[in-house]
Amino acid sequence: DGGITQSPKYLFRKEGQNVTLSCEQNLNHDAMYWYRQDPGQGLRLIYYSQIVNDFQKGDIAEGYSVSREKKESFPLTVTSAQKNPTAFYLCASSMALDLSYEQYFGPGTRLTVT
Amino acid sequence: QKEVEQDPGPLSVPEGAIVSLNCTYSNSAFQYFMWYRQYSRKGPELLMYTYSSGNKEDGRFTAQVDKSSKYISLFIRDSQPSDSATYLCAMKGSGGSYIPTFGRGTSLIVHP
Repeated sequence: DGGITQSPKYLFRKEGQNVTLSCEQNLNHDAMYWYRQDPGQGLRLIYYSQIVNDFQKGDIAEGYSVSREKKESFPLTVTSAQKNPTAFYLCASSMALDLSYEQYFGPGTRLTVT
Repeated sequence: QKEVEQDPGPLSVPEGAIVSLNCTYSNSAFQYFMWYRQYSRKGPELLMYTYSSGNKEDGRFTAQVDKSSKYISLFIRDSQPSDSATYLCAMKGSGGSYIPTFGRGTSLIVHP
């Protein structure tokens, strides 16, 4: 089955710890994205990558970091610098960053930091 | 004013009703319009997409775009309890940017 996997589904961390969220896709998509979703706020773009070894900041990149060493993988690290890290994190991919290509989403990771 | 406005609801309807979900937008450069369905604690699922003004139908779902009014709609016929979810509109094409802009989502509840 082709798709996007995110793991784990639920993640709990103590304040001050960095945590890495996994995102893997087997759709052969070039572009990948990370979004954060908070209640009533919609989707906010954290980072995106058009191609391996290249990525760009989105609207709310502060306190986050990413890497894109493989086409299939786009992990997101939530650092201790992120002031309000508790949220639902969604990874997405598309064939390319272009007008006619839709984004497909993974199942999400719910991160709780206490 | 946000670029994409979507009433968060909740919208509560009886089973079998026709549902109308709507988004307005302010940027006339948007060219590509999408609707996603998101069940609670799940990732959004792409339902429909369209380029042009007019209607596009897929089963019980119809997407409508009116570029002159900067207004898009998703109609659901014969709504079912399984349609209960949050519906997100998204659009892109503004100024050569191909990152979608999402609405906040409308929560739909279809009760038996």
